[in-house]
Amino acid sequence: AAGVIQSPRHLIKEKRETATLKCYPIPRHDTVYWYQQGPGQDPQFLISFYEKMQSDKGSIPDRFSAQQFSDYHSELNMSSLELGDSALYFCASSSGRQKPTYEQYFGPGTRLTVT
Amino acid sequence: AQKVTQAQTEISVVEKEDVTLDCVYETRDTTYYLFWYKQPPSGELVFLIRRNSFDEQNEISGRYSWNFQKSTSSFNFTITASQVVDSAVYFCALSLGMDSNYQLIWGAGTKLIIKP
Repeated sequence: AAGVIQSPRHLIKEKRETATLKCYPIPRHDTVYWYQQGPGQDPQFLISFYEKMQSDKGSIPDRFSAQQFSDYHSELNMSSLELGDSALYFCASSSGRQKPTYEQYFGPGTRLTVT
Repeated sequence: AQKVTQAQTEISVVEKEDVTLDCVYETRDTTYYLFWYKQPPSGELVFLIRRNSFDEQNEISGRYSWNFQKSTSSFNFTITASQVVDSAVYFCALSLGMDSNYQLIWGAGTKLIIKP
């Protein structure tokens, strides 16, 4: 079965650079979530989108922005990168609100290293 | 407020032993959803199970079983005859569904080490 696709899988950037992470949800899933997971921590919710509209916002820094496109894929844009942004970034998707399954299916993650 | 507690930071057992991972949750809502996710060393998060608050039936899937007890607000996970491949961090999570925009409230995770 198709899973959530994230690209790139690994990314190395320098401080103050920008990065764009991409997420392709499971087909027919219309909700996308972004998480940040630091070493030894649980995933921290950043932001979510439902039907291309932002549905909820968590601890996403102002330097980050995200959007969901017409094909339901989502991009997380990160600017002025800091060393503390080094983490594993997960995208998750879930099915529609009319027949929700509630569980979120996660992509493999993008490991971002800021040097 | 909602909260998920996984008191066991790390558990180490020898292969073939049974092991139980504890999860205690807090919520005042009567409708909620509980989840277990597995994160192996490779890093991906794998969905294992969802349990609805109105369904207290326990579930067994192969060597995995889950014990949901509303009376003690617990949703424990047992691995029978553990194997080295079970080594991972296991997260318990809670969602209030639509009331919380389907957000997941995570426990801190339990690192399970299965020694050969």
